[in-house]
Amino acid sequence: GDSVTQMEGPVTLSEEAFLTINCTYTATGYPSLFWYVQYPGEGLQLLLKATKADDKGSNKGFEATYRKETTSFHLEKGSVQVSDSAVYFCALTRAGGTSYGKLTFGQGTILTVHP
Amino acid sequence: EAQVTQNPRYLITVTGKKLTVTCSQNMNHEYMSWYRQDPGLGLRQIYYSMNVEVTDKGDVPEGYKVSRKEKRNFPLILESPSPNQTSLYFCASSPLGVQGSSKNIQYFGAGTRLSVL
Repeated sequence: GDSVTQMEGPVTLSEEAFLTINCTYTATGYPSLFWYVQYPGEGLQLLLKATKADDKGSNKGFEATYRKETTSFHLEKGSVQVSDSAVYFCALTRAGGTSYGKLTFGQGTILTVHP
Repeated sequence: EAQVTQNPRYLITVTGKKLTVTCSQNMNHEYMSWYRQDPGLGLRQIYYSMNVEVTDKGDVPEGYKVSRKEKRNFPLILESPSPNQTSLYFCASSPLGVQGSSKNIQYFGAGTRLSVL
C-alpha cells in the first residue's frame, strides 16, 4: 500500500537557519503530494502541494519539489522564524479507485525554532 | 468564514460509555473524512463519505461508526469506547473534483482530544 516516510524529529534550529525536512513516498501511479502544517492547538493547514513530477510547490518561503525519480518531496526554507515552530506532515493522495480523497500521512516532524 | 467545526474540543470519558463527536462544514463540500492522530503514526483515516448517505471504511474503522444524513454534518460515533481509542481526532472536508486539483485540498477542523479511561 501507499506510505510516506519523514525524517526523524524533533528538529531544533536557531532563527534564520536553513531548514530541510526529508520526505519520501511509496505509491503506485502518480500521486499528488502535500505538506501540511499544524500549529500548536490547531488543526492542519495546507502549506503547499505539487500534483505532477518536477512541480515545485511554494508558500510562505517554504518550497518542495516533486521528484519522481527519487520518490521524494523534501521541504525547505532558507531562513526560519520562531513563528515557523509547528508540526509538519508530508502526505500523498492518489487518483481514482477506492482510495479517493484519502490522504496518507507521514509520521510528522516537530520543528522548534529558537530566537 | 469557511470552516470545519468539531465539538467537543476535549473529552474525557470512561470505557463503554457511548459518545459522539460532531463535525460540521459550511463550504457545501461533498467529501468528508475522519482521521485519528497518534504519536509516531501521523494521521490515519477512519471513515470517509463522498456524499449524503454514502460512507465507507478507511484504514482503521474498527470501533467507530459514522453517518451522513445531511451534507454539512458527519458525526463520529464510538458505541463502546476503549482506552486504545484515546487519540486526537480530526474531521476534514473537500469538494469532489479531479484528484490532485486545487479543488481537492482538504480543510481540517481544529481537532478533538479524546481520553478514554
